[in-house]
Amino acid sequence: DTAVSQTPKYLVTQMGNDKSIKCEQNLGHDTMYWYKQDSKKFLKIMFSYNNKELIINETVPNRFSPKSPDKAHLNLHINSLELGDSAVYFCASSPVGAGNTIYFGEGSWLTVV
Amino acid sequence: GDSVTQMEGPVTLSEEAFLTINCTYTATGYPSLFWYVQYPGEGLQLLLKATKADDKGSNKGFEATYRKETTSFHLEKGSVQVSDSAVYFCALRGRRIGNEKLTFGTGTRLTIIP
Repeated sequence: DTAVSQTPKYLVTQMGNDKSIKCEQNLGHDTMYWYKQDSKKFLKIMFSYNNKELIINETVPNRFSPKSPDKAHLNLHINSLELGDSAVYFCASSPVGAGNTIYFGEGSWLTVV
Repeated sequence: GDSVTQMEGPVTLSEEAFLTINCTYTATGYPSLFWYVQYPGEGLQLLLKATKADDKGSNKGFEATYRKETTSFHLEKGSVQVSDSAVYFCALRGRRIGNEKLTFGTGTRLTIIP
């Protein structure tokens, strides 16, 4: 069973469209994250939720809106897609506590054309 | 803020060579330290971790020791294989409540040639 699963894995869409990426974890973790990996492989946190509450929101354009309907799900909605949004988006989850491992999903490859 | 500096790649080695990928960090307090690996076309997998000073993390022949005095967490492997070709990320996780995110280094691409 996949611990952190995200869909879709690949997404090609036109500029200006709105799209969503869904994420679910079955590990019982309290904290979930969205990370963005750019074309140079650099990874940067976008958002973090703890028990459905937003706790980290890193200077991300407000076209990006996360939603956590329950602690096992964290979805990412992107409005008015731009070319620069092309990247790999990783969902992740972990228990609370700095010593705990953060587990990542397989990534969603978004290409905006 | 927290930051991680790791050896820039790409690194190319012959099979059975010794590997070192350097990683140093800057953080408030005493973070936990991690190495993640990303194989081509795949997601991030935890390779190893250490949660306090002098801890050694190890997995699949890879090792790294948490050195508080030098703020380092260098990754080593005694004899690399072609299957080790991947991108390796050093990361830290801070202990401030509400900010326990992972901060990553820039990644080091490793290629092993037969």
